[in-house]
Amino acid sequence: EAQVTQNPRYLITVTGKKLTVTCSQNMNHEYMSWYRQDPGLGLRQIYYSMNVEVTDKGDVPEGYKVSRKEKRNFPLILESPSPNQTSLYFCASSFLIAGGRTGELFFGEGSRLTVL
Amino acid sequence: QKEVEQDPGPLSVPEGAIVSLNCTYSNSAFQYFMWYRQYSRKGPELLMYTYSSGNKEDGRFTAQVDKSSKYISLFIRDSQPSDSATYLCAMSAIDTDKLIFGTGTRLQVFP
Repeated sequence: EAQVTQNPRYLITVTGKKLTVTCSQNMNHEYMSWYRQDPGLGLRQIYYSMNVEVTDKGDVPEGYKVSRKEKRNFPLILESPSPNQTSLYFCASSFLIAGGRTGELFFGEGSRLTVL
Repeated sequence: QKEVEQDPGPLSVPEGAIVSLNCTYSNSAFQYFMWYRQYSRKGPELLMYTYSSGNKEDGRFTAQVDKSSKYISLFIRDSQPSDSATYLCAMSAIDTDKLIFGTGTRLQVFP
């Protein structure tokens, strides 16, 4: 089954304790991206990657890191989480189509993170 | 002012009703318009995709784009309880791949 898998789905942590949210897709997509979803603010892009070893900042990259060492994986790293990073996080992936544009975005089921 | 505005709802309608969901936007460069559906505790999934102006129909769903008014709509005919979800509009310009999402409208269809 084609899917984007995120782990963990739910996590409660404390300020400053490093954590990683993993994302893996089995569709051989070039493009991967991380979003956070907050009430009243919608989906905001954190980081994205057009291919292996190519990453770039989205709209809200502060406090986050990513890496893309393999095509299928795109982990999101919070080196020192703070309460304002409490949010619902989504990983998404897609093929790149003509002109280098992204095709249909496929989203994971989300990771709800609470930072105390 | 946000680039994309969407009424958060909730919108509550009886089964069988026609539903109209809307977004307004301020960036006249937007050319690609999408509607995503997000069920509770799930990720968004693409529902409709249109390029530039006009209508697109897919079963009970019709997407409409009015670029002169900077207004897009999603119509759902014969709404079903299974349509209960949050509907997100999204759009991007021709010279950038960056997707801008609306905040979503929560729809509840009761039997």
